[in-house]
Amino acid sequence: KQEVTQIPAALSVPEGENLVLNCSFTDSAIYNLQWFRQDPGKGLTSLLLIQSSQREQTSGRLNASLDKSSGRSTLYIAASQPGDSATYLCAVRAWGGADGLTFGKGTHLIIQP
Amino acid sequence: KAGVTQTPRYLIKTRGQQVTLSCSPISGHRSVSWYQQTPGQGLQFLFEYFSETQRNKGNFPGRFSGRQFSNSRSEMNVSTLELGDSALYLCASSPGTGTTEAFFGQGTRLTVV
Repeated sequence: KQEVTQIPAALSVPEGENLVLNCSFTDSAIYNLQWFRQDPGKGLTSLLLIQSSQREQTSGRLNASLDKSSGRSTLYIAASQPGDSATYLCAVRAWGGADGLTFGKGTHLIIQP
Repeated sequence: KAGVTQTPRYLIKTRGQQVTLSCSPISGHRSVSWYQQTPGQGLQFLFEYFSETQRNKGNFPGRFSGRQFSNSRSEMNVSTLELGDSALYLCASSPGTGTTEAFFGQGTRLTVV
């Protein structure tokens, strides 16, 4: 059974810092990996989708990498801003998607002004 | 383009009652998935529908059921509510089934008293 772990569980940094959020998964037979952000009491906003054949994806100040063989993905946030404060969730989908998305518990990020 | 719409946003029900939640996917999307989010268990996959057929199902009791209509709108039903069913229920919309990017709605917050 796929398990997804996100480290750290919480992170608080001053505005302007570059930071890295980590995601690991136990079964490397994934089809894709998706990063989301969730604001308190709200739904999930899709940030980046990486297909299993890709190594990284970029969107603005966000860059996500995927190393399928080691079961790891990182989300890099450049020049952090207070508006980046949210919970960041990593989710993987197996081939065929039989179990839907398997989520980590998330990293709760606070950017201090 | 409108996003994923979930109604209602908030619900309070009594133990033993049943509840129906609704999800309208992004126009043109044919796949709808449902997830339950709780503080203890995080996000867990309930089921996925594509072209009115349930394609995949998570590990939830039979009290949880769903359906999809010909216009791709989906409903989720929970019968004989228990206190532990209190959660944020999230619906995700995708163009196809199983392996494509998921876009989430704002969720329905269900409280069982």
